[in-house]
Amino acid sequence: DQQVKQNSPSLSVQEGRISILNCDYTNSMFDYFLWYKKYPAEGPTFLISISSIKDKNEDGRFTVFLNKSAKHLSLHIVPSQPGDSAVYFCAAKGYGGATNKLIFGTGTLLAVQP
Amino acid sequence: EADIYQTPRYLVIGTGKKITLECSQTMGHDKMYWYQQDPGMELHLIHYSYGVNSTEKGDLSSESTVSRIRTEHFPLTLESARPSHTSQYLCASSPQGSRAQYFGPGTRLLVL
Repeated sequence: DQQVKQNSPSLSVQEGRISILNCDYTNSMFDYFLWYKKYPAEGPTFLISISSIKDKNEDGRFTVFLNKSAKHLSLHIVPSQPGDSAVYFCAAKGYGGATNKLIFGTGTLLAVQP
Repeated sequence: EADIYQTPRYLVIGTGKKITLECSQTMGHDKMYWYQQDPGMELHLIHYSYGVNSTEKGDLSSESTVSRIRTEHFPLTLESARPSHTSQYLCASSPQGSRAQYFGPGTRLLVL
């Protein structure tokens, strides 16, 4: 059973507009969440993270929002640029036991149209 | 962020061959990981290490083995490659006290 879900396999947005990538999780023991960006034939690049004690973390054009009650997080990219076109993975982690490792979603392919 | 190197980047090999995928990092990170990823799928953890002489199997069953004799080096070996091993293999590392993992560029393996 997948503990981290990215239900949208792809997303297309216009350059300059906002991109919103969504992620849901099922395990309430997760307390740290990360977003990675991946280009084809390359390794994932760490983008931004958030701890469960926060509900928002911002870094430049990237903002991650966490809704613990809904077990939902989202990544906002504003403004979107063509270079943002990539696969975005969310990942979750908890302390100890089975949740001590990173659990990844299946990714969302973002295409930013010029 | 870690400087992590993986070689080779691409490998095409015949069934039954023994292969070793190299992973090195220059930041002195204690924790290192190997993931396997197929297109359109999530990354699956196959091995990890929390330090020298420490290795553990991950969540995804794998016929590969790993070793950690030096902090900076975490090679993955397949004794007898099969077509089912065709995949992308990603190495990552994480410093003590950090919960983020930093990835290398990956090795794309094709077994014929």
